[in-house]
Amino acid sequence: GQQLNQSPQSMFIQEGEDVSMNCTSSSIFNTWLWYKQEPGEGPVLLIALYKAGELTSNGRLTAQFGITRKDSFLNISASIPSDVGIYFCAGGGSQGNLIFGKGTKLSVKP
Amino acid sequence: DVKVTQSSRYLVKRTGEKVFLECVQDMDHENMFWYRQDPGLGLRLIYFSYDVKMKEKGDIPEGYSVSREKKERFSLILESASTSQTSMYLCASSLVYDNSPLHFGNGTRLTVT
Repeated sequence: GQQLNQSPQSMFIQEGEDVSMNCTSSSIFNTWLWYKQEPGEGPVLLIALYKAGELTSNGRLTAQFGITRKDSFLNISASIPSDVGIYFCAGGGSQGNLIFGKGTKLSVKP
Repeated sequence: DVKVTQSSRYLVKRTGEKVFLECVQDMDHENMFWYRQDPGLGLRLIYFSYDVKMKEKGDIPEGYSVSREKKERFSLILESASTSQTSMYLCASSLVYDNSPLHFGNGTRLTVT
């Protein structure tokens, strides 16, 4: 079945640094979504992408829908301590279901 | 804003007990989902429902059942809880099925002893 590879699994960065993470697959997706989950909470939608090549920003977050439709990237600029959490990508396939990556755990050192 | 409310944040149950996890959404969404989340395994879909009284198996339905008697409410049932079902359970809803963003509840952390 369809699978997503999300990397890196975890990141330890200094406050103020930029962050990049990505999801790749051997399958084509029609939708890419990025979520953030803080400790003890459910995932919250950050950015939704619906078109190949689309680049969308939400504050300091920017995500892109890869041209091949097999990947997506999330960048966080000038990280702050409240960026801590687990970031998930999700790809929407031809069957209408969402496939989730296993998450990137972000730690930010003040 | 969509609100998905799970009735319990934490539950502790004994092996063999019947367990009900309740979820309510307030935005008239057609679709509702139950996932479990485990370290290293990510989010795994247990069951979903695209209409009242309709249900579909997800990737790991064994040991679970669901009930959707009203549009806004989706219940996950563990008929006979086992220690392997200790996990974080997340309910979600979406407007339509076709790749729509999911809106998640805050989760129920279930411990089976």
